[in-house]
Amino acid sequence: GAVVSQHPSRVICKSGTSVKIECRSLDFQATTMFWYRQFPKQSLMLMATSNEGSKATYEQGVEKDKFLINHASLTLSTLTVTSAHPEDSSFYICSARDGPRTGNTIYFGEGSWLTVV
Amino acid sequence: EDQVTQSPEALRLQEGESSSLNCSYTVSGLRGLFWYRQDPGKGPEFLFTLYSAGEEKEKERLKATLTKKESFLHITAPKPEDSATYLCAVQGDYGGSQGNLIFGKGTKLSVKP
Repeated sequence: GAVVSQHPSRVICKSGTSVKIECRSLDFQATTMFWYRQFPKQSLMLMATSNEGSKATYEQGVEKDKFLINHASLTLSTLTVTSAHPEDSSFYICSARDGPRTGNTIYFGEGSWLTVV
Repeated sequence: EDQVTQSPEALRLQEGESSSLNCSYTVSGLRGLFWYRQDPGKGPEFLFTLYSAGEEKEKERLKATLTKKESFLHITAPKPEDSATYLCAVQGDYGGSQGNLIFGKGTKLSVKP
């Protein structure tokens, strides 16, 4: 079964509004979670690395004020797309790293489709 | 520069026709090489992690192998339900990183009945 849960799986929002996506590790504690964006027929593009209790590390070119990341607990990270525009429409995927018991395997959520209209 | 290259980009097989997918990599200090399967509109599903050259892992019709420069995902007697995009990713000793993955672009596998 899924070990990383992402919610919502699909969301439609109006241009200019904000939308929050949650990523939960279900049966392990994840000090580190990752947020990706994927365009159609493209590979995953890392947006930021989320660390529990500290600020996220953003990849070059990713606006930290637009894509707010909060990692409030060892099992939850959230991505908030602020003042969304149609070009933000995409497939957003989170992942979480399990500990040494699984060889630090990184598991992915099911992804969230964001459509901005 | 750390890099992952997957080939072929797309592969069409007949049901039962075995083949292999390639993942070539260059990375500073390999911590792990990961194989994932991704179905359209879904997040990647974890398949295997390989840590050192010579290591092999199997799961049903899939077998992953690792050398110092590349990894192969062998598919034996594939079925239509094996159709998906297979992603390869590496985790290395990046300075100051928290161990994020570098992905290849994937191989889209189609298995026809």
